[in-house]
Amino acid sequence: KNEVEQSPQNLTAQEGEFITINCSYSVGISALHWLQQHPGGGIVSLFMLSSGKKKHGRLIATINIQEKHSSLHITASHPRDSAVYICAVRFQGGSGSRLTFGEGTQLTVNP
Amino acid sequence: EPEVTQTPSHQVTQMGQEVILRCVPISNHLYFYWYRQILGQKVEFLVSFYNNEISEKSEIFDDQFSVERPDGSNFTLKIRSTKLEDSAMYFCASMRGYTGELFFGEGSRLTVL
Repeated sequence: KNEVEQSPQNLTAQEGEFITINCSYSVGISALHWLQQHPGGGIVSLFMLSSGKKKHGRLIATINIQEKHSSLHITASHPRDSAVYICAVRFQGGSGSRLTFGEGTQLTVNP
Repeated sequence: EPEVTQTPSHQVTQMGQEVILRCVPISNHLYFYWYRQILGQKVEFLVSFYNNEISEKSEIFDDQFSVERPDGSNFTLKIRSTKLEDSAMYFCASMRGYTGELFFGEGSRLTVL
């Protein structure tokens, strides 16, 4: 079964801390997305990866295709980073472009 | 910055009623999607649409659901006879190319009473 697992489910940090959220998946993928879901429900795309590493501001995303694992890092975390972070993948082998989503990681950054 | 827009933001309806959720994808995008998220659960794929037809649909997308792109700009999701379990946040998304970045709308929250 094609599955996406995220950890941790919940994460509380103090402002300034370095944050890591992990994502693992069961079979080969063609792309992995990191998304941010705001308290109001809206979803914003942060990164799309198929290999290596990407950086945008304080956010860094890495992927290890052999290990079937990706991480999202937040450096110098801030209360405004508080949100749900979701990993979603497009599995290889299918005919479509659908994404399969993880459960999400609820991040709370306290001042 | 271009964005995907969805209306309504919240709709309350009685069980058995028809509902239409509307989306305006980004104008030069070619791939369109509906996803849904039941409260407290993960986001689930419903349907993808490309070249004016459904390219893939999930087991959730049964005969009660339909999608249309009636005028080249709007992309609609219709639920013919709503059930209590259709209560969810429905997200429209669009993508320019098959391997491109996915852009989501803000979602339409559907409450079925």
